[in-house]
Amino acid sequence: DGGITQSPKYLFRKEGQNVTLSCEQNLNHDAMYWYRQDPGQGLRLIYYSQIVNDFQKGDIAEGYSVSREKKESFPLTVTSAQKNPTAFYLCASSSGTSSYEQYFGPGTRLTVT
Amino acid sequence: DQQVKQNSPSLSVQEGRISILNCDYTNSMFDYFLWYKKYPAEGPTFLISISSIKDKNEDGRFTVFLNKSAKHLSLHIVPSQPGDSAVYFCAASVIPTGNQFYFGTGTSLTVIP
Repeated sequence: DGGITQSPKYLFRKEGQNVTLSCEQNLNHDAMYWYRQDPGQGLRLIYYSQIVNDFQKGDIAEGYSVSREKKESFPLTVTSAQKNPTAFYLCASSSGTSSYEQYFGPGTRLTVT
Repeated sequence: DQQVKQNSPSLSVQEGRISILNCDYTNSMFDYFLWYKKYPAEGPTFLISISSIKDKNEDGRFTVFLNKSAKHLSLHIVPSQPGDSAVYFCAASVIPTGNQFYFGTGTSLTVIP
């Protein structure tokens, strides 16, 4: 079954710690994305990557970092510099060329206390 | 600055009737639009898309209408079913800029049996 996996579903961290969220896809998609969702708000783009070893900042990249060493993987690190890290994080991918629809993983709920 | 707006946070409809979800955008350069459905604690699921060269696209019970002059699109669900109860997001993009989509804040649809 092709799809996007995010792990873990729930993650708890203490303030001041960096944490890395996993995102893997086996759809052979070129493009991958990270979004953040807060209550009552739409999805906001953190980072995106259209090809391996290249990524671009989205609207709210401050306090986050990413890497794209493999086509299948696009991990997101939430650093201690992110002022309000508690949120629902969604990873998505798209073929980037033949179709523009983005397909989402199940999300990771990060709680920082 | 919210470029895509869904001004109705919630909508209730009787089973079997039509659900109409609305979305407005401010950027006249947007040329591709998507609708997503989202259940709590899950990733959004792609529903239907429309490009700016069309004014209507249908897929089963779902139809999206685009009014470019008014910068408005709507999603019609006919007939509505209880399983349609979810949050619906619209998203817009300027395709040549790399598939960065801007999402609305969502409308929570409740279909009453």
